[in-house]
Amino acid sequence: AQKVTQAQTEISVVEKEDVTLDCVYETRDTTYYLFWYKQPPSGELVFLIRRNSFDEQNEISGRYSWNFQKSTSSFNFTITASQVVDSAVYFCALSESYNTDKLIFGTGTRLQVFP
Amino acid sequence: NAGVMQNPRHLVRRRGQEARLRCSPMKGHSHVYWYRQLPEEGLKFMVYLQKENIIDESGMPKERFSAEFPKEGPSILRIQQVVRGDSAAYFCASSPRERGGRALDTQYFGPGTRLTVL
Repeated sequence: AQKVTQAQTEISVVEKEDVTLDCVYETRDTTYYLFWYKQPPSGELVFLIRRNSFDEQNEISGRYSWNFQKSTSSFNFTITASQVVDSAVYFCALSESYNTDKLIFGTGTRLQVFP
Repeated sequence: NAGVMQNPRHLVRRRGQEARLRCSPMKGHSHVYWYRQLPEEGLKFMVYLQKENIIDESGMPKERFSAEFPKEGPSILRIQQVVRGDSAAYFCASSPRERGGRALDTQYFGPGTRLTVL
């Protein structure tokens, strides 16, 4: 069965600290896609990244970086030099290629960055 | 270059009333997904529609809930005889994935409709 686990319910850091949000997934398919979305206090969902199962290269976008490791079924997200504006709930999600593209979401990690 | 639009943003209903939630996908997108987010929880898939077709409704409650995506106009999620447990945020997402296409396209989400049942 497909499942996404975000074990960290809430993380608090002080500005400029680095923080890593963990995501572990379960799937029976060999082709699948992983996503991260951000939900700021205003409530909307903002797409951050999509990664397919064939591409294990790490990705960096500004202060954001993602570490995909198939061996441990993890897709972790790191924010470098965190800022107050990074405060949000972050969701990891999984989709399988043979399915109807529905996303299976984790329960989210609430990140609070204090000044 | 508008994104996914949902209205209303907030909806208050009394128990037993009907709730209608609307979603207009991004321009050029013909695939719509509805998700529900209960308080303090992640999003749960409800239904996936293409124009005039329901493709996957495996996440829809068996009773009182229905969805449509007509040839013209927005997608509608309809909840009849609402109960307090229906209070949640309902998100719509759209993608441009073509029928039969292999590539999975990213789903872009609307701002959500927050339904409160009194």
